[in-house]
Amino acid sequence: NAGVTQTPKFRVLKTGQSMTLLCAQDMNHEYMYWYRQDPGMGLRLIHYSVGEGTTAKGEVPDGYNVSRLKKQNFLLGLESAAPSQTSVYFCASRRAGETQYFGPGTRLLVL
Amino acid sequence: DQQVKQNSPSLSVQEGRISILNCDYTNSMFDYFLWYKKYPAEGPTFLISISSIKDKNEDGRFTVFLNKSAKHLSLHIVPSQPGDSAVYFCAARVANAGGTSYGKLTFGQGTILTVHP
Repeated sequence: NAGVTQTPKFRVLKTGQSMTLLCAQDMNHEYMYWYRQDPGMGLRLIHYSVGEGTTAKGEVPDGYNVSRLKKQNFLLGLESAAPSQTSVYFCASRRAGETQYFGPGTRLLVL
Repeated sequence: DQQVKQNSPSLSVQEGRISILNCDYTNSMFDYFLWYKKYPAEGPTFLISISSIKDKNEDGRFTVFLNKSAKHLSLHIVPSQPGDSAVYFCAARVANAGGTSYGKLTFGQGTILTVHP
């Protein structure tokens, strides 16, 4: 049971490049979330999903898109990366009525 | 607008003493509060929680206190151990209004706890 895994662990992008962050969970959780963590800001919710095929915007969704084609995977896309998207990205999942389990994070640097 | 605030960026305590981490919130619709612990290069892990219908919840060395009138909660760690050194995040969830909260959490900025041997 791997829990929540994130790929890649670290990435450097140039401004304007695109990339996709992958989150996978093997706990059959319905809910999945993407957060970003910035110094002095805590974790802020980007997008979330309440089930396969559904997504919704969180607190800071601009510049990101998501997809949940399979229950176990939640993808976060950056179509045109900007330096302001330099951050640590965390994925989380949970079962209804339980707390969120977090992945180890992806560190992204946009130059 | 920061709805959940942890005003102390850091806290340093001696091993064996009590650590008290504080959190304030502004949204009266929050009904459930959690503390997460985070080590470097790892994701946050759930530590302890409290429902708004309670004022205290205890789990081993960890106790969370909730003062709804003051919109304040605190995490007490007794006794503190060097392994408790980590970043602690306070988080809050809005009450389920027709099932629309979906467990979304609002986090504070975090407090770095250092426990010295």
